[in-house]
Amino acid sequence: QKEVEQDPGPLSVPEGAIVSLNCTYSNSAFQYFMWYRQYSRKGPELLMYTYSSGNKEDGRFTAQVDKSSKYISLFIRDSQPSDSATYLCAAKSSGDKLTFGTGTRLAVRP
Amino acid sequence: ETGVTQTPRHLVMGMTNKKSLKCEQHLGHNAMYWYKQSAKKPLELMFVYNFKEQTENNSVPSRFSPECPNSSHLFLHLHTLQPEDSALYLCASSQDGPSSVGETQYFGPGTRLLVL
Repeated sequence: QKEVEQDPGPLSVPEGAIVSLNCTYSNSAFQYFMWYRQYSRKGPELLMYTYSSGNKEDGRFTAQVDKSSKYISLFIRDSQPSDSATYLCAAKSSGDKLTFGTGTRLAVRP
Repeated sequence: ETGVTQTPRHLVMGMTNKKSLKCEQHLGHNAMYWYKQSAKKPLELMFVYNFKEQTENNSVPSRFSPECPNSSHLFLHLHTLQPEDSALYLCASSQDGPSSVGETQYFGPGTRLLVL
């Protein structure tokens, strides 16, 4: 079993839709959770960073962590074609390396 | 130049060739990483250097040989690779190493490697 599971997609939505991207994880020691966005032919860039359970909002993006169910979510409101990319979730425990999901490919249609 | 840069961006090599990938970070960070990204697989951590010292080798075959001459530069020397080594090789850096609480990694654009 992978430590971080993520549906690879692709996920295709119309412009303006609310997008929900999700990951599950198995390691209960994970405390730090991240979402990276990776455009085609580019490296991943950090989008959101969350510690422990709860929500974090940044503009149109909201990251949510539910440690009781080991569930990580990223919501994108009013999605734009420029949001089309692969979204990688990642998690780590204190003192350990980052563990990534496989990434979900998102396409936002104009 | 800003952030993390990698050269070359694309590389095609035969199984008997020797080549090197280069990474440079302009962020003043102390830790640098090599990752392998293959289709439909999670990012695989290969090596970690912290203050120029290798702190992690994630069971990587010896045909991959890292070198970190200083905390701004990282190389990955390649020799006698196999076709299954074809992937995107990403370099990353962070202020401190993986053991640091809340450590954030910044990635370069990657080198797309094809082994024939």
